[in-house]
Amino acid sequence: EAQVTQNPRYLITVTGKKLTVTCSQNMNHEYMSWYRQDPGLGLRQIYYSMNVEVTDKGDVPEGYKVSRKEKRNFPLILESPSPNQTSLYFCASGIQGMSYTFGSGTRLTVV
Amino acid sequence: AQSVAQPEDQVNVAEGNPLTVKCTYSVSGNPYLFWYVQYPNRGLQFLLKYITGDNLVKGSYGFEAEFNKSQTSFHLKKPSALVSDSALYFCAVRDGIKGNKLVFGAGTILRVKS
Repeated sequence: EAQVTQNPRYLITVTGKKLTVTCSQNMNHEYMSWYRQDPGLGLRQIYYSMNVEVTDKGDVPEGYKVSRKEKRNFPLILESPSPNQTSLYFCASGIQGMSYTFGSGTRLTVV
Repeated sequence: AQSVAQPEDQVNVAEGNPLTVKCTYSVSGNPYLFWYVQYPNRGLQFLLKYITGDNLVKGSYGFEAEFNKSQTSFHLKKPSALVSDSALYFCAVRDGIKGNKLVFGAGTILRVKS
């Protein structure tokens, strides 16, 4: 089954403790992206990747890092999480500019 | 910059009645437009897209959307609403300049009452 898999689904952490949210897709897509969803703001892009070793900032990249060492994986790294990064995160993959496939989401709470 | 507006935070409709969820957009160049639906505790699911061609686009679960270039609108419609259609709906437009990302509206909650 074609899918985007994110882990974990839920995460509660403390301020400053580094964490990684994993994302993996099995559709051989070159394009992958991370979004955060906040009430009243819709989804905002954090980072995106057009291919292996090619990443760029989205609209809200501050406090986040990504890497794309393999085509299927696109982890999101929070080096020092803060409470304002409490949000619902989605990973997506697809063909650039066309309909993207989204993961089920990761609900992160930073206390 | 590309942008999407969903003017209604929430739309309420009775089961069996037609529904419309509104979306207007601003883009430079040709618009690539999308509708996604999000059910509680689930990810976003693709409903339909407009790239080119007929202004009336048909998608999943009986939904359709009408592209209107002069009004820069892409409203989502369904002739007969179901209670199971209750969800959060997002309109999105492709930003061809910035890495082909999707720019999303704030979302509209659709509540269908029996």
